[in-house]
Amino acid sequence: EIVLTQSPGTLSLSPGERATLSCRASQSLSDSLTWYQQKPGQAPRLLIYDTSNRATGIPDKFSGSGSGTDFTLTISRLEPEDFAVYYCQQYVTSLTFGPGTKVDIK
Amino acid sequence: EVQLVESGGGLVQPGGSLRLSCEVSGFTFNDYDMYWVRQVPGKGLEWVSTISWNGVDKDYADPVKGRFTISRDNARNSLSLQMTSLSPADTAFYYCARDGLPYYFDPTGYFDFWGRGTLVTVSS
Repeated sequence: EIVLTQSPGTLSLSPGERATLSCRASQSLSDSLTWYQQKPGQAPRLLIYDTSNRATGIPDKFSGSGSGTDFTLTISRLEPEDFAVYYCQQYVTSLTFGPGTKVDIK
Repeated sequence: EVQLVESGGGLVQPGGSLRLSCEVSGFTFNDYDMYWVRQVPGKGLEWVSTISWNGVDKDYADPVKGRFTISRDNARNSLSLQMTSLSPADTAFYYCARDGLPYYFDPTGYFDFWGRGTLVTVSS
């Protein structure tokens, strides 16, 4: 099973700051990595697929990058609605999620 | 508008059974692979099961293999998950989700639309 590790576990930032979230895989994923955002009481929302492609309706403040085993989600300038938990997910072999990174208000 | 609405969750005793349903609308259901994903309250996400667009191919996560059965009724735009031999470890929100692309573009394995989830609680 491919294991995904996300860091940091919690990221405390202020509105307007840049957020950089990491996802590392136990083996190469090529570009088969996705990012989701989840707010309390809501289902996850697809942000990024195939490492760097924004899903429909996702603003360009969200960007994804990486390849192989190391991937990054960047939120260029945090707005109040961006404080949430972010999960990465791989789909190259079976389907597994990372444990999540919580972005909270500093 | 794409919509997925789960139902069927509730409180069940250990060893019991439960059947979840997901009614979909707003897209051509029989063009897409579908999934169940679960989440223990306050914890992370776990893929549970996959069914192909035509219902032929099915896959399960190891913790549920042999106990859960996924099915679909394309005429009724409905996805189901039959769960048996339930244990407290199965307590979670259960989400149905759609694959990112229709089958004729090759299913992807990521989820572009999710339902709001239904809570299954296994407890005596």
